[in-house]
Parts: sequence; C-alpha cells; structure tokens
Amino acid sequence: QITLKESGPPLVKPTQTLTLTCSFSGFSLTTSEASVGWIRQSPRKALEWIGIIYGDDDKVYNPSLESRLTITKDTSKTQVVLTMTNMAPADTGTYYCGHGLDLWGQGAVVVVSS
Amino acid sequence: DVVLTQTPVSLSVTPGQPASISCKSSQSLLHGDGKTYLYWYLQRAGQSPQLLIYEVSTRLAGVPDRFSGSGSGTDFTLKISRVEAEDVGIYFCMQTVQLPLTFGGGTKVDIK
Repeated sequence: QITLKESGPPLVKPTQTLTLTCSFSGFSLTTSEASVGWIRQSPRKALEWIGIIYGDDDKVYNPSLESRLTITKDTSKTQVVLTMTNMAPADTGTYYCGHGLDLWGQGAVVVVSS
Repeated sequence: DVVLTQTPVSLSVTPGQPASISCKSSQSLLHGDGKTYLYWYLQRAGQSPQLLIYEVSTRLAGVPDRFSGSGSGTDFTLKISRVEAEDVGIYFCMQTVQLPLTFGGGTKVDIK
C-alpha cells in the first residue's frame, strides 16, 4: 500500500524559505520510472503544479516557480524535500506530494504571513 | 501554458440523474506518441484530489463504471451516468502533454 505524508511549518513569514518533507512508503524512488510530484492548492481551490523528481534524480520544475524551487530526495529515508525561497502571501495554500500523478498525500497547510 | 477551461463552474444534480463536465484545452493534448494526456480528478471536501481517469478515458482501478471520460484533441468530457451522494466534490481536469502541467479551474458538484 502506497502512502505519502507531507510535513512542515504551518506558518512562514514573508521572504522566508519554506521546507516541506514528503515521507512515503510502499514504493521505491530509485528507478527512472518512479517519481514524486508536488502540487499546491490556493485557498480559492485553484490547483498549481510545482514540480517532480524522478528516481534517477532528474527534476522538472514549473518555470513560473523554478528560480525559487529545489526538490531533493533521500531514498534511504524514503523522503523527498521541497524547498521554496522568498515566500510571499500569494504562496499560502495546501501543499501536496504525490506518487507520480495518481495518489496524493493528505496535504500540508502553509500560511505566509508576518 | 496550456489553459484548461472547465464548464460548468458548478452543478447541482438529483441522485440517480446523469451529470456531464466539459474541459476545453487551448492546445491539442495529443502527444507525438499517439496518446492524449488528459486526466480527471475528484476532490471531496477535506481530502486530496483523487485520480479517476487518465489518458482521456481509462478509469483507475476501483473507480465505479458510472464514471466515463471521452474526447479528443482539445475537447473532453467527464460523464457520471447516475450521480450518487459520494460523488459530491470538485472535479478537475489536468493535462500533462506540455510543461508546465496545468489544471482546469474545477467544477463543483453537489446534490439537489
């Protein structure tokens, strides 16, 4: 059974860096076919794709966010880490990590406010 | 970016009646490999999006057969043959043929 769970700070100040961890089980992120993706959802429910990391360590980012993003993996710990710099109130929302595109975690709510 | 426009924005359906959601793309979602990369998700209240259908019309294992997807090129439709109470939520289409992946704005379905 595949499971994913996001964790991280619920509150971030403007200009700070957000670090979210996706802890997963039930699959291995060691082959090029395997992947963990990130999406986010605004308070108004709009969905935005953030990026994806593959088991061969290839990464693809949303160009609109790429300059602020880093996605890394730690296969020994079955974790993926999302780092987003220079956070702003517009980045407030729920962040989800997923097994490819077919199963998403429960989400982590992040509020950006001073 | 590929823009996906979903209609209607909201839909109120009597249980047992059909429902249909449209997703129109600003560009063809037909990939050079011959596949069309259009997905449908359902997000129930308080939950993460759940994949229902991929590549236009293939239901994920366990998805009831009252859900069906159709379409080609730029025009796609999700149909629910007989709406049940558990089908309430927001439906999203998504494309993966071109980066960045993009989602439709969502269609909220509730029960009359």
